[in-house]
Amino acid sequence: ETGVTQTPRHLVMGMTNKKSLKCEQHLGHNAMYWYKQSAKKPLELMFVYNFKEQTENNSVPSRFSPECPNSSHLFLHLHTLQPEDSALYLCASSQEGTGGVEKLFFGSGTQLSVL
Amino acid sequence: GEDVEQSLFLSVREGDSSVINCTYTDSSSTYLYWYKQEPGAGLQLLTYIFSNMDMKQDQRLTVLLNKKDKHLSLRIADTQTGDSAIYFCAEKGAEGSTLGRLYFGRGTQLTVWP
Repeated sequence: ETGVTQTPRHLVMGMTNKKSLKCEQHLGHNAMYWYKQSAKKPLELMFVYNFKEQTENNSVPSRFSPECPNSSHLFLHLHTLQPEDSALYLCASSQEGTGGVEKLFFGSGTQLSVL
Repeated sequence: GEDVEQSLFLSVREGDSSVINCTYTDSSSTYLYWYKQEPGAGLQLLTYIFSNMDMKQDQRLTVLLNKKDKHLSLRIADTQTGDSAIYFCAEKGAEGSTLGRLYFGRGTQLTVWP
């Protein structure tokens, strides 16, 4: 248990569906992230939220829409996805201002399959 | 973006030492990390090293950093079957770079045989 909880663990959706991924962190961190882990590719940073404010959108298509209502919760809203969006979506959190070293705490991820 | 390269697979016998290697291209790296991912789980931070160090030891783990060659390694002593997992090397660029922006390798699948 890392203190970062993601739901659902698995999700299968059609290309016309709308779904949301949820992440909650119980660590009191002030920054939260979405990463994408695809087979045979390095982890890709998608979005960064620092004190609930989005500070980074790493050229992610608009079919992915993040939401951060408070420092403990992060959502990723999905709509009209493509089969190539199938991947493991990982949420992470960290505490900014820890002297340079940045320790990310990851959730277990949501394995997404787009049919 | 910066490149981080790792070999994809490593197999060792239980009780032997494992050495996982990583190379990176960013000469301004400040911190380098090793993460572990077990099946069905997210990544877990194992250890990290600051770029002005060349070695760090933490129980069974030894990290070696050759900054000149941009080479990082993770040695696991007395490897156990429970160490079977994917190990990711990651680097953090210059101070002030984007929060959360670590550059990860593709991971090395370590298999430990009994």
